[in-house]
Amino acid sequence: DTAVSQTPKYLVTQMGNDKSIKCEQNLGHDTMYWYKQDSKKFLKIMFSYNNKELIINETVPNRFSPKSPDKAHLNLHINSLELGDSAVYFCASSQRPSDGEAFFGQGTRLTVV
Amino acid sequence: AQSVTQLGSHVSVSEGALVLLRCNYSSSVPPYLFWYVQYPNQGLQLLLKYTTGATLVKGINGFEAEFKKSETSFHLTKPSAHMSDAAEYFCAVTLTGGYNKLIFGAGTRLAVHP
Repeated sequence: DTAVSQTPKYLVTQMGNDKSIKCEQNLGHDTMYWYKQDSKKFLKIMFSYNNKELIINETVPNRFSPKSPDKAHLNLHINSLELGDSAVYFCASSQRPSDGEAFFGQGTRLTVV
Repeated sequence: AQSVTQLGSHVSVSEGALVLLRCNYSSSVPPYLFWYVQYPNQGLQLLLKYTTGATLVKGINGFEAEFKKSETSFHLTKPSAHMSDAAEYFCAVTLTGGYNKLIFGAGTRLAVHP
């Protein structure tokens, strides 16, 4: 059983398109995150939700919009994709927002051409 | 503000040799500290964590790390490297309490040679 699963694993799209990445966790955790890993492997948090409520919103362009329909799901929608959005996007979850420790999905490699 | 510095973006060791990956942190309050490993084309997997209590923390796959407050360090070690240890290793810090987020170091790529 996959604990944190993301779809798709790979996504190639043209500039200007809109795309979504889906994430689901079956761990019963209250908190979910989106992290971005750039081409130099640097990881940075983008968003965090606790029980469907946005609790962390880093300095991310408003073309990125997270949505949490329930506490087991956190999707990421990206409008008007740019070349610089190319990265690996990781979904993660933790039992509580104060935990820090997170369980990561396999990542979605987004390539914008 | 918190930050994490990993000394050495690439570390190469021979199979059977000691592995030492360095991590220093900056935090105004007592931190929680983590080491994660990322195998090629995979997500991150937690190796070990320090929250409170014993400063020497043992993790999976024979790794351990020691929290040294005076040195603001949390170096990762393994007595004997195995070929399967080749991966990217990330040190991370988060604040105690509140809504936390992991602040990652830049990562260290470990290569293990026969």
